[in-house]
Amino acid sequence: GESVGLHLPTLSVQEGDNSIINCAYSNSASDYFIWYKQESGKGPQFIIDIRSNMDKRQGQRVTVLLNKTVKHLSLQIAATQPGDSAVYFCAELSRGNAGNMLTFGGGTRLMVKP
Amino acid sequence: DAGITQSPRYKITETGRQVTLMCHQTWSHSYMFWYRQDLGHGLRLIYYSAAADITDKGEVPDGYVVSRSKTENFPLTLESATRSQTSVYFCASRDRSYGYTFGSGTRLTVV
Repeated sequence: GESVGLHLPTLSVQEGDNSIINCAYSNSASDYFIWYKQESGKGPQFIIDIRSNMDKRQGQRVTVLLNKTVKHLSLQIAATQPGDSAVYFCAELSRGNAGNMLTFGGGTRLMVKP
Repeated sequence: DAGITQSPRYKITETGRQVTLMCHQTWSHSYMFWYRQDLGHGLRLIYYSAAADITDKGEVPDGYVVSRSKTENFPLTLESATRSQTSVYFCASRDRSYGYTFGSGTRLTVV
């Protein structure tokens, strides 16, 4: 499959442990954020989103935290499983002259050790 | 099948040739996007379209041309391929929320 990137930051965790993936965003005016998961050979897949009027949102085994003061977003994965191994991207929605556009971060590779 | 499909999955072409990457979605989403994904750069927007016959440049449009004669199709053409356009290309569409759905990608190699 496609190689997403050989020089991505990498987080290696033991199966069953919790994972925390961090992201710094750039635009203080961004009001919507999404986390995507990209497995090898596939396109990015939506995981969870959060609006700027919230600081926490929970899904199934995943939690996103938003700290607008320091422009920081994190994705927490509980009880990490081998199937969670992938590259994770955060994206921020910016509203400009071109309309609402997502800008993607560089990604973090999560490796789960059995 | 419903969804967003890209073709071809893999393509090797020579420098200077024209090549077109296809993208088809079955939802009638208004917005469609083309991204390229390279080592160290993440996903960068090439072109997007807000509706049929409406297209606009993204972050890295040089060397690419798009069209949107039908809502469901959004082809991306490299008019004269260069080695710097070797990349993985992703098409995406967006519904009325802000969620993007991506295709599986096209790996293009320009030799």
